[in-house]
Amino acid sequence: QKEVEQNSGPLSVPEGAIASLNCTYSDRGSQSFFWYRQYSGKSPELIMFIYSNGDKEDGRFTAQLNKASQYVSLLIRDSQPSDSATYLCAVLDTGRRALTFGSGTRLQVQP
Amino acid sequence: GAVVSQHPSWVICKSGTSVKIECRSLDFQATTMFWYRQFPKQSLMLMATSNEGSKATYEQGVEKDKFLINHASLTLSTLTVTSAHPEDSSFYICSARVAGVRAEQFFGPGTRLTVL
Repeated sequence: QKEVEQNSGPLSVPEGAIASLNCTYSDRGSQSFFWYRQYSGKSPELIMFIYSNGDKEDGRFTAQLNKASQYVSLLIRDSQPSDSATYLCAVLDTGRRALTFGSGTRLQVQP
Repeated sequence: GAVVSQHPSWVICKSGTSVKIECRSLDFQATTMFWYRQFPKQSLMLMATSNEGSKATYEQGVEKDKFLINHASLTLSTLTVTSAHPEDSSFYICSARVAGVRAEQFFGPGTRLTVL
């Protein structure tokens, strides 16, 4: 059973701070990793994807991947109250070409 | 970005009836579409993978005779919940994968099904 693990939270940070969200995965052969944001009652929205070890930056978001440690993270700089949501880590199952999702981390940004 | 629509956005039905949910990729062709179910405060659970022109592949534990999936074209997949029961009440979300080597999936807005 391929697994994706996330701390359910809530992770509470003050406005303007850096929020750090973490994810580990069990399938060492995984190659593609995704972060989605999901607001309550809404469907997931793709924030970033990362395929290579290291950092990938897009605006206030930075994804970090360490395949040796089977670890992927998402940093949100200058956190805003509008960033308050559940963040889902997803790993692509290369065999099925389907995503396996973690349970999500709920982020709360305090004004 | 790629846009995926779903219809209806919500539906309430009586127990024993069937409900059809449509998923469309509006500005791209999707060779593969996925159907997920999400219960409150839980993550997305993959129900089935739908490939255009072929039978859907169902995940273990998902009844293929209850959840009928049709992927008739590169832009449309449908999920029919047959003989719905209250335990089928959930948030159903489809996603579509862009054809080609990129693996990103784009999600529809979801359909909230309530079975009375």
